[in-house]
Amino acid sequence: AQKITQTQPGMFVQEKEAVTLDCTYDTSDPSYGLFWYKQPSSGEMIFLIYQGSYDQQNATEGRYSLNFQKARKSANLVISASQLGDSAMYFCAMREGWNNDMRFGAGTRLTVKP
Amino acid sequence: EAQVTQNPRYLITVTGKKLTVTCSQNMNHEYMSWYRQDPGLGLRQIYYSMNVEVTDKGDVPEGYKVSRKEKRNFPLILESPSPNQTSLYFCASSQSSLLGKTQYFGPGTRLLVL
Repeated sequence: AQKITQTQPGMFVQEKEAVTLDCTYDTSDPSYGLFWYKQPSSGEMIFLIYQGSYDQQNATEGRYSLNFQKARKSANLVISASQLGDSAMYFCAMREGWNNDMRFGAGTRLTVKP
Repeated sequence: EAQVTQNPRYLITVTGKKLTVTCSQNMNHEYMSWYRQDPGLGLRQIYYSMNVEVTDKGDVPEGYKVSRKEKRNFPLILESPSPNQTSLYFCASSQSSLLGKTQYFGPGTRLLVL
């Protein structure tokens, strides 16, 4: 069964606007971590933000924030004030319990328009 | 500088010709993993290693071998490559026991099997 679902294959956003990339997950483990990665056209995987299942507050890192809705099992990435350099593939991923395996969604390609 | 290195970065080969992709990390991480990335599928785990001499299959291990003789190195071996192994490959490492720790990714190896 798919553990991580990203339903938006592609998204467009105007420069300087905010955008939300969706991610839903499936787990029965009460302890898990959710990650977002950015993959620019050059191919490298860049870690953006982390949310733990027991964290009381939504994670934020600069222009990135994670809208964590535990009951709905969603962990959407919000990028504020989009920049042209934000154009990339974005992957949501999850690690469960003490399992080091990381499961990835299929990704969302974000294009920022000038 | 803390990093994961992979070699080669690009490789074109022919069906059946054995090849090895090397991976090395300088962060003294216990956990190392190999992924392949294909369009629309995100990253899928091939093999992982919890520590020296400890390896296990991921989701898509068929056609691949790994070894972990030293903590820093985790080579991926394709004994008899086939065209369906054409993909982008990532090596990653992390500390073993902390759920919140992200995996650090290598720069990727683009493999084309003719």
